[in-house]
Parts: sequence; C-alpha cells; structure tokens
Amino acid sequence: NAGVTQTPKFQVLKTGQSMTLQCAQDMNHNSMYWYRQDPGMGLRLIYYSASEGTTDKGEVPNGYNVSRLNKREFSLRLESAAPSQTSVYFCASSSVPQDEQFFGPGTRLTVL
Amino acid sequence: GQQLNQSPQSMFIQEGEDVSMNCTSSSIFNTWLWYKQDPGEGPVLLIALYKAGELTSNGRLTAQFGITRKDSFLNISASIPSDVGIYFCAGQRDAGGTSYGKLTFGQGTILTVHP
Repeated sequence: NAGVTQTPKFQVLKTGQSMTLQCAQDMNHNSMYWYRQDPGMGLRLIYYSASEGTTDKGEVPNGYNVSRLNKREFSLRLESAAPSQTSVYFCASSSVPQDEQFFGPGTRLTVL
Repeated sequence: GQQLNQSPQSMFIQEGEDVSMNCTSSSIFNTWLWYKQDPGEGPVLLIALYKAGELTSNGRLTAQFGITRKDSFLNISASIPSDVGIYFCAGQRDAGGTSYGKLTFGQGTILTVHP
C-alpha cells in the first residue's frame, strides 16, 4: 500500500499561471482533504470531500477549486496562481470524516 | 479562521531530557490529536484522545485531554535525536452538520534535540 500519494513534489509557477495538484489514496477511504501549511500557521483546510461526489469549502478556499474525480482521487486546482499561494500543500484521507486522517508527503509550491 | 494556541513555538533540549508542550482553545473539541511531522514529510498521528480527562500513553509519549475539553498537553520522556521534528496538536468536533470531522491545527512546536 502506497497510502496517500501526491504529485508533483515540487513546483515553481509564475504569477497568473494555472496548475493542478494531484492526490490519490489506495486505502479505500471515503473522505479526502486538502490543506496548506505556512510557517507559524500550522495546517489550514482548503477544501474537503466527505464522500465521493461531494466537495465543500474549508477555512481558506479562495483562489482554489477541487475535483473529486473518483473515490481514489482528489485534485486541487489553482486557476491563476498568486505569490500568496506559495506554500506546502498536503492531501489527506480518512475512512469516514471523524476517523484518523492520513497525510501525503506534500507538494512544495512557489509562485514568483 | 480559528486556530489553536500551541506553545512553546520551539524547544532546544539535550538528549535524555523530558519535553512538555500544550495546546489551548477558546472553544470545545470532542477529540484531541497529536501529530509529528518529520522534515519533508506529511504529519503522522501519534496519539488520539477521545474523552475529557483521558490520559493516554504511546511508548515515551503521554498526552492528556483537558477536563474542560479546551486544552491538551503532550509529554515526551527521555528524548532521543529521532524525536526531532514539528509537533502539532489538532482538535476535532464530531462529524455531522457542517463540521464533517474537520481538523483545526495548532501552529506547531519545533523540537530540536542535541546529542
């Protein structure tokens, strides 16, 4: 079992460019999450998907969109990247919303 | 958005020393969690606490769920070099309604252990 995988590991964008961060889990989990981590801020929830077919905004959704492609995959899209979106992005999954969340290794994004 | 207040922000200790960190909130959580993040990795769950007053151990780690449900602490005894990393507390309300089991994280405690 790979657990939660994320691609890419690193990415540099110019302001205004778009990109999609990919996340997949092989644990047959129903719920998936996207967080961003900034120095001194801990992790903040961007979007989550409690089950396949549903997505909801978290604490900091502005500038992002998500797609729950199927039960395994949950992608995060930046339509027009801004320097304020420079961060480390983590995907996580859990069996059901209140269960333990397992995190991927993260994507380190820099927006110039 | 709401965050938990975690302290201290960083700690520099000698190998063998005990470590204590805590988390406080202005609102109640039904579950408290403690995660560790190694450099370049995602957080990994260390201990989960589900009941007010609960004291739980995992090896050299001990954590407690505060009676008021607004705080929690983590102790690490006899620290070793591999304890280095960032430790996060997280609070969780029950799933249902708009909560959906979402985690609220503290800012993290950076732990450095000198051999």
